[in-house]
Amino acid sequence: DQQVKQNSPSLSVQEGRISILNCDYTNSMFDYFLWYKKYPAEGPTFLISISSIKDKNEDGRFTVFLNKSAKHLSLHIVPSQPGDSAVYFCAASGDFGNEKLTFGTGTRLTIIP
Amino acid sequence: GAGVSQSPSNKVTEKGKDVELRCDPISGHTALYWYRQSLGQGLEFLIYFQGNSAPDKSGLPSDRFSAERTGGSVSTLTIQRTQQEDSAVYLCASSTWTGGNTIYFGEGSWLTVV
Repeated sequence: DQQVKQNSPSLSVQEGRISILNCDYTNSMFDYFLWYKKYPAEGPTFLISISSIKDKNEDGRFTVFLNKSAKHLSLHIVPSQPGDSAVYFCAASGDFGNEKLTFGTGTRLTIIP
Repeated sequence: GAGVSQSPSNKVTEKGKDVELRCDPISGHTALYWYRQSLGQGLEFLIYFQGNSAPDKSGLPSDRFSAERTGGSVSTLTIQRTQQEDSAVYLCASSTWTGGNTIYFGEGSWLTVV
């Protein structure tokens, strides 16, 4: 039962353009969402998060949008840079982050110079 | 140390042998997680320790897998009678227990069962 889904296993984007990564969830009890970035042979690193009381959170080039009615969130990276090439994992938890994180299967983003 | 420390970083073992993987969380972090990532797969939750509460073991794939956390700090994940399908990178993470926490991962222990 995959409660957090990332339906695009890979995405290629031209440098300088916007990258949009999508994530859907099924558990209505999730109320805290995060994006992690993973380079090969390294552990995932935290990128950005959003609580269900918000619909948008921005940090520099990264913006996360949350649509609670659609149970959908997205990560926007603009402008995309070659160093953004990595696997991006969406994660969700309940109790505003006090419960364990459930991860999606990841999307491999490749930025084309 | 400053981050989550895992050892060994790489382990090759023969099928049927037992292995132990160690995790040293960030000092002061009360929550500790084990995840694994098999080749081409996402992050699979294994077990979660939070303070003195009973651990959430709901992700352990079989009774060959067990984990303990001593003194609320270091954790050991044990896999008995390893099988080839156990080959994966085993990731440990820790966090503080506050609303809206993020978890911080170690670099993982790469296990290969031959």
